[in-house]
Amino acid sequence: DAKTTQPTSMDCAEGRAANLPCNHSTISGNEYVYWYRQIHSQGPQYIIHGLKNNETNEMASLIITEDRKSSTLILPHATLRDTAVYYCIVRVAEFLVGGNQFYFGTGTSLTVIP
Amino acid sequence: DGGITQSPKYLFRKEGQNVTLSCEQNLNHDAMYWYRQDPGQGLRLIYYSQIVNDFQKGDIAEGYSVSREKKESFPLTVTSAQKNPTAFYLCASNAQRSVTEAFFGQGTRLTVV
Repeated sequence: DAKTTQPTSMDCAEGRAANLPCNHSTISGNEYVYWYRQIHSQGPQYIIHGLKNNETNEMASLIITEDRKSSTLILPHATLRDTAVYYCIVRVAEFLVGGNQFYFGTGTSLTVIP
Repeated sequence: DGGITQSPKYLFRKEGQNVTLSCEQNLNHDAMYWYRQDPGQGLRLIYYSQIVNDFQKGDIAEGYSVSREKKESFPLTVTSAQKNPTAFYLCASNAQRSVTEAFFGQGTRLTVV
């Protein structure tokens, strides 16, 4: 089962920052937070991941709270092409018998408005 | 280019027929996964494999079967026992013993008529 909670939908004005929250209150110490997005009828695309420090790459920034119970994905200057469903996932990185698979919830549908 | 390939993109089958969806990766990844996605829903895990000749059931394995005879390939068979097979199917892979992301194929849309 998915271990994260996200709002069902959000809107953002084009050019503004999009802040997508995720609650993962039961996260374990060895679990990473990953963000993916999916544009309609395509495979999900990796955005960013982190353990406890804030992370930034060319696509987005990931802010993880100090207690690690929640995180926020920030798209600094949203464009129309950022309209997609965004998934927040927690996952252990170590090899485990039984797997360390990626569990997806229903995600947040972000609509960027012109 | 390295990547993960699913074929075909669209597939139509008659009710009661088994159908096999292909997933191939040339990323040298140990782990491979199959997900199902229904309209307006998130991805649900069907099966996953951590190593050749081994695979595990996910949350919705009933009516599906898989094999992992080669590291590069993880085909999914949708059997006649699957009650609602019409869906979008996604395959993914990742390097198991690391924090790297999972790479996804572009999906196969299966329609059973």
